[in-house]
Amino acid sequence: QKEVEQNSGPLSVPEGAIASLNCTYSDRVSQSFFWYRQYSGKSPELIMSIYSNGDKEDGRFTAQLNKASQYVSLLIRDSQPSDSATYLCAVHSNDYKLSFGAGTTVTVRA
Amino acid sequence: KAGVTQTPRYLIKTRGQQVTLSCSPISGHRSVSWYQQTPGQGLQFLFEYFSETQRNKGNFPGRFSGRQFSNSRSEMNVSTLELGDSALYLCASSSGLAGDIETQYFGPGTRLLVL
Repeated sequence: QKEVEQNSGPLSVPEGAIASLNCTYSDRVSQSFFWYRQYSGKSPELIMSIYSNGDKEDGRFTAQLNKASQYVSLLIRDSQPSDSATYLCAVHSNDYKLSFGAGTTVTVRA
Repeated sequence: KAGVTQTPRYLIKTRGQQVTLSCSPISGHRSVSWYQQTPGQGLQFLFEYFSETQRNKGNFPGRFSGRQFSNSRSEMNVSTLELGDSALYLCASSSGLAGDIETQYFGPGTRLLVL
């Protein structure tokens, strides 16, 4: 079983819609959760971090964490063409490393 | 504040050669991690250093090694290159102040092509 799994893509959404990205993790002691955005040919860029159960909002992005269900999600509201990228879920479990999901590629149609 | 820098940005090597990649973390950051990214395997953890000590190592062969200097700059070395080593090698830094890696910020990466 993979440590971090993301919903398979690609995900295509119309401009202005909500893009919903999901991530599950296997290690129950995981403490920190991150969403990174990676444009083609570029390195990952941090979008959000979340540590406690519940929602965390930052502009058009909302991260949701449910530790009991071992589930973390990212919502992108009012999606823009510039949001077209691969989104990586990363989980940290007190072992000095991040474990990454395979990523979900999002395409926002103008 | 300057971000994470990596050199070189692009590299072409042939099988059997060795390569050294360099990473300078964000000023004040003491933790440096290395990842390999390939289309098939995604982002895979190589190793993490803090204050010149390797605290964790991923599941890679011994051909992959690294070190960290007293100024927190880090290098990774791959010996006896194989075609499968072609990848984007990413360095990430974090403050390390809380004793663990915390939020990591990535450099632009070094794209290695092995022929």
